[in-house]
Amino acid sequence: DAKTTQPTSMDCAEGRAANLPCNHSTISGNEYVYWYRQIHSQGPQYIIHGLKNNETNEMASLIITEDRKSSTLILPHATLRDTAVYYCIVRVGDQFYFGTGTSLTVIP
Amino acid sequence: DAGVTQSPTHLIKTRGQHVTLRCSPISGHKSVSWYQQVLGQGPQFIFQYYEKEERGRGNFPDRFSARQFPNYSSELNVNALLLGDSALYLCASSLGGGPRETQYFGPGTRLLVL
Repeated sequence: DAKTTQPTSMDCAEGRAANLPCNHSTISGNEYVYWYRQIHSQGPQYIIHGLKNNETNEMASLIITEDRKSSTLILPHATLRDTAVYYCIVRVGDQFYFGTGTSLTVIP
Repeated sequence: DAGVTQSPTHLIKTRGQHVTLRCSPISGHKSVSWYQQVLGQGPQFIFQYYEKEERGRGNFPDRFSARQFPNYSSELNVNALLLGDSALYLCASSLGGGPRETQYFGPGTRLLVL
């Protein structure tokens, strides 16, 4: 019962921006979108989250469409250490609904 | 500050046995959530506890149970283990579990059921 769909895999050249899309067409008005990443089956690492407005922090930017049915995570200058599986998550109350994620490979 | 810690890191059990996994949240965090991650899939929500009370439960059988202690640490118990229970079990903590609060994950316990 995943609430998000993401591309299975993506490549990005080192130093370029990585844009990771996510569809969450059934999201409700008070449900947050979170992004985490997971490297080598370690615990997922928090990246960013948002509700309606675009958000930016030291790691990434999150762009949420006006109808909130999709969002894009932007890593402005990808490095080799950004190679990971990126999860777009809809938070429903206390539960995080993970999808299958996007495997991002940053290429030298 | 220490992050979320989990023990053991790895565990091998046989079918029918039971297992107890442990989690210590970040200091000051009162909410703990448990997730199961099968190889190749995203984590699936099992339980959330806040102030020792169960706040949420995912779609898992009654063989899975958990509890939270007064110091906010938590245990996940799985009885009558099946081969399909082989997975990475993740614990995450947050301050109070509200919808705007970030969950911080531990490194996980990798369980193999033979």
